[in-house]
Amino acid sequence: DTGVSQDPRHKITKRGQNVTFRCDPISEHNRLYWYRQTLGQGPEFLTYFQNEAQLEKSRLLSDRFSAERPKGSFSTLEIQRTEQGDSAMYLCASSWGGSNYGYTFGSGTRLTVV
Amino acid sequence: DAKTTQPNSMESNEEEPVHLPCNHSTISGTDYIHWYRQLPSQGPEYVIHGLTSNVNNRMASLAIAEDRKSSTLILHRATLRDAAVYYCSLGGGADGLTFGKGTHLIIQP
Repeated sequence: DTGVSQDPRHKITKRGQNVTFRCDPISEHNRLYWYRQTLGQGPEFLTYFQNEAQLEKSRLLSDRFSAERPKGSFSTLEIQRTEQGDSAMYLCASSWGGSNYGYTFGSGTRLTVV
Repeated sequence: DAKTTQPNSMESNEEEPVHLPCNHSTISGTDYIHWYRQLPSQGPEYVIHGLTSNVNNRMASLAIAEDRKSSTLILHRATLRDAAVYYCSLGGGADGLTFGKGTHLIIQP
């Protein structure tokens, strides 16, 4: 068990560019969550998957945000046409099931849009 | 979504117990109460969670009020490594966990 891995750790991009982040969850976990965290705030829920099915995506911040989890393994979060307001830490977490289980978070991807 | 309210910061001395409070008066009957802690530039780390009964693990204890409108995370003997931001969060529906702003815990040697 190597924990939840996120790649890259840091990303600097120019406004208007597309970015994609990857998350590798703990292999036995069937749920995968994406969160966004801005400075001084707690994590904000974006979306989650159970295996390959995306069961909640209404919290994605805009239609520029999308997530996939092909084959129920790793997941990607894409932001199209980035804006300066997208600068934040993007966190991935996985768990055995719902909220009756603890979540394991990755170290996050820090996005800076310039 | 049910919200949580925590003090912005708390200070304690090393080797003393720490009681971190959380109010969640709008909690629903199916919401679990989770606690996580976070160091700078790291992801949150799971501490403990529960539904109705008090819970103990090797890291901490969780005391849940009978009406479930508040809870307290108890660190029995704080060390310098316990200094972090502690988040109380709720979850039970389809929206994952809802986090508050957290409590910045300062441990004095």
